[in-house]
Amino acid sequence: NAGVTQTPKFRVLKTGQSMTLLCAQDMNHEYMYWYRQDPGMGLRLIHYSVGEGTTAKGEVPDGYNVSRLKKQNFLLGLESAAPSQTSVYFCASRPWRDEKLFFGSGTQLSVL
Amino acid sequence: KQEVTQIPAALSVPEGENLVLNCSFTDSAIYNLQWFRQDPGKGLTSLLLIQSSQREQTSGRLNASLDKSSGRSTLYIAASQPGDSATYLCAVRFTGGGNKLTFGTGTQLKVEL
Repeated sequence: NAGVTQTPKFRVLKTGQSMTLLCAQDMNHEYMYWYRQDPGMGLRLIHYSVGEGTTAKGEVPDGYNVSRLKKQNFLLGLESAAPSQTSVYFCASRPWRDEKLFFGSGTQLSVL
Repeated sequence: KQEVTQIPAALSVPEGENLVLNCSFTDSAIYNLQWFRQDPGKGLTSLLLIQSSQREQTSGRLNASLDKSSGRSTLYIAASQPGDSATYLCAVRFTGGGNKLTFGTGTQLKVEL
């Protein structure tokens, strides 16, 4: 049982480049989330999904897009990366009736 | 503004000591509060989840308490071990905050031999 898997684990981008972060969970969870973690700040919610085909904005959605075409996958896209998007990105999931969150191991992204 | 604060930012204790980590929040209208552990370079692991109707939750050597009226939660770790060294984060789901968890910045704990 792999839980929540994030790919890639590390990535370096140049300003203006685009990329997609993939999150996959094998626990049949309805809810999925993308957070970013920056030094001195708590984790902040970027976007989330309450089920296949649905997405919603979180606290800091600007510059990011998401898609949830399959229940097990939640993709986070950066269309034109900026240095301010340098961060560690975490994906999390949970079932509908339980608020305990399961996290992936993170993606460290640097935008130069 | 709904905020979560954890003080101190770092704590070092000798092995075997009982310790308390603190979490405070600005609004007593909450659904639940969750304590996480984060090891360096790793994701977060949920330790304990306390619903707003509960006063405490226990798991092994860990005990978390919740006092909504004072806006405080504590995580008690009994008989600390070097393996407990990690960053501990508190997160609150505020009423009216939708699906968002508001995280504190964490307390980095080091348990020394």
